[in-house]
Amino acid sequence: DSGVTQTPKHLITATGQRVTLRCSPRSGDLSVYWYQQSLDQGLQFLIQYYNGEERAKGNILERFSAQQFPDLHSELNLSSLELGDSALYFCASSENSGSRDEQFFGPGTRLTVL
Amino acid sequence: GDSVTQMEGPVTLSEEAFLTINCTYTATGYPSLFWYVQYPGEGLQLLLKATKADDKGSNKGFEATYRKETTSFHLEKGSVQVSDSAVYFCALSMNDYKLSFGAGTTVTVRA
Repeated sequence: DSGVTQTPKHLITATGQRVTLRCSPRSGDLSVYWYQQSLDQGLQFLIQYYNGEERAKGNILERFSAQQFPDLHSELNLSSLELGDSALYFCASSENSGSRDEQFFGPGTRLTVL
Repeated sequence: GDSVTQMEGPVTLSEEAFLTINCTYTATGYPSLFWYVQYPGEGLQLLLKATKADDKGSNKGFEATYRKETTSFHLEKGSVQVSDSAVYFCALSMNDYKLSFGAGTTVTVRA
């Protein structure tokens, strides 16, 4: 158990809908990262927050957004969903925001768009 | 941009065999390098890491050495077990902190 929790574990929805994925980092970790794992794109970095502020952005679509709240939990919002958004979404956390910091991964949320 | 290339799988081995998974990287500077493992139905776990050239990371019998001259970080284990069956990801991190992952290598160890 990494100490990072993600809810829900599974999510099935229809095209055009909007969903919210939630992540609680390990106690004391200030950074939260979101990754998408799909069969065709592999594991890709989406976005990072550090202590409530956006720190880095990767291959995140404009239909996707995220935020980190004062209690440090984070939410990833996916809207106007398409079939291609079906993937496993991982949240990770680290103590700070350095390249040497170990990132601890949650178990993931499996999103299926029908 | 910064990227990681790792050997394609799947790799199937017998118990007690030697495992090596090749990983090479492309980066503009000096990244930190990682190996993550994903067991079936689970999230990723850090297996080992190295933050500078010639560093050797090791954990659970796995080893990898950061080779700047060949831009490589190959993963090795001398004697695999059935419980080592998993997907292994090589990754790097630069100053922008995000992890850039390789495609993953599926390893199956047969008893």
